[in-house]
Amino acid sequence: AQKVTQAQTEISVVEKEDVTLDCVYETRDTTYYLFWYKQPPSGELVFLIRRNSFDEQNEISGRYSWNFQKSTSSFNFTITASQVVDSAVYFCALSSGDTGRRALTFGSGTRLQVQP
Amino acid sequence: EAQVTQNPRYLITVTGKKLTVTCSQNMNHEYMSWYRQDPGLGLRQIYYSMNVEVTDKGDVPEGYKVSRKEKRNFPLILESPSPNQTSLYFCASSRTRTDTQYFGPGTRLTVL
Repeated sequence: AQKVTQAQTEISVVEKEDVTLDCVYETRDTTYYLFWYKQPPSGELVFLIRRNSFDEQNEISGRYSWNFQKSTSSFNFTITASQVVDSAVYFCALSSGDTGRRALTFGSGTRLQVQP
Repeated sequence: EAQVTQNPRYLITVTGKKLTVTCSQNMNHEYMSWYRQDPGLGLRQIYYSMNVEVTDKGDVPEGYKVSRKEKRNFPLILESPSPNQTSLYFCASSRTRTDTQYFGPGTRLTVL
């Protein structure tokens, strides 16, 4: 069985603060893929990043960065110098590469509120 | 423009009245999937399809049906909707099962 835990239900920060969203996953597979999606107030799901289990390099894209650590089964997401437009619900998701049935197992999401 | 479309975007119906939510993608993706989103639960997979005429149950398939007669379309059918199926539904597609899934805009369904 696989599981994704986002322990932070809601985070509130003030604009320009850095914020880290935690994601811890469980899987027995050696090949798997991790994702982050953003759901702004308008409701659509926006893809942010996909990372496979063999690539532990951290990634930076503008103000966004991701820290993948297999040793702790974590794939955390940091927003640097947060902006009001970053206010959204963020989902971490896991896809198994070895077993067949499901595409994505989602965490329950973290709601980020960035106050001006 | 590459996209996944869903219709309707909003639907209010009554218990027991059959309904279909359509989903279409123009990216020639093999894999398509339906999810429902409920507060505090994240997204849960209802059904998925690996290719035309190949469908299988996800985590919460009870009360739903799907079909995949063409590659681009993957309708979700509620034969006899009940209030516990009130939810936000998303269709998604990807090139393969483990590739990035791209989501439609969502369908907000209310069953009275």
